[in-house]
Amino acid sequence: AQSVAQPEDQVNVAEGNPLTVKCTYSVSGNPYLFWYVQYPNRGLQFLLKYITGDNLVKGSYGFEAEFNKSQTSFHLKKPSALVSDSALYFCAVRDRGDRDDKIIFGKGTRLHILP
Amino acid sequence: GAGVSQSPRYKVAKRGQDVALRCDPISGHTALYWYRQSLGQGLEFLIYFQGNSAPDKSGLPSDRFSAERTGGSVSTLTIQRTQQEDSAVYLCASSLSAGAEETQYFGPGTRLLVL
Repeated sequence: AQSVAQPEDQVNVAEGNPLTVKCTYSVSGNPYLFWYVQYPNRGLQFLLKYITGDNLVKGSYGFEAEFNKSQTSFHLKKPSALVSDSALYFCAVRDRGDRDDKIIFGKGTRLHILP
Repeated sequence: GAGVSQSPRYKVAKRGQDVALRCDPISGHTALYWYRQSLGQGLEFLIYFQGNSAPDKSGLPSDRFSAERTGGSVSTLTIQRTQQEDSAVYLCASSLSAGAEETQYFGPGTRLLVL
């Protein structure tokens, strides 16, 4: 069975500082990994995904994430945080080997960027 | 182009009332997903459609929940005899296909409050 963990319920970062939102996963095969962001009263917006190839994936709004197979992690990063980055972030995983496996979302990490 | 739309955006129901939630996916997307997001929780998978067929109904919480999709497009999630624990945000997503690598695009959600 697949699972995904976001160990931090909340992350606080000062504006202009680098930010990291952590995600670890567990799948029986090889993973597809996704990051989504949710602003208040909105649905989830796609940020980026890892399918294959380069372990460093660049996405929307200056975000990037690094796939680390040995550590089974896919942490989301941004070099310089903006107040507008404050939102709820979800990591998700899907096992590429099984078409019937559904995507599994983490519980979310609330990111607060302090002005 | 237009994204995923959902209606109504907000619904207040009396306990025992039936409710119907509508999702219009992105045109051309063959896969459609329903999720439930409760306060402080991640996304709970409910059901997905490939075309008009629902290969995976495993997430439906009880037999009070049902969903259909017609014409490979619009989907309706119906909750019969609503209970207070059904209060949540119901999110719909669509993707080009049900392939594991496909990005899911989310609608804004329907916030259901059962009194």
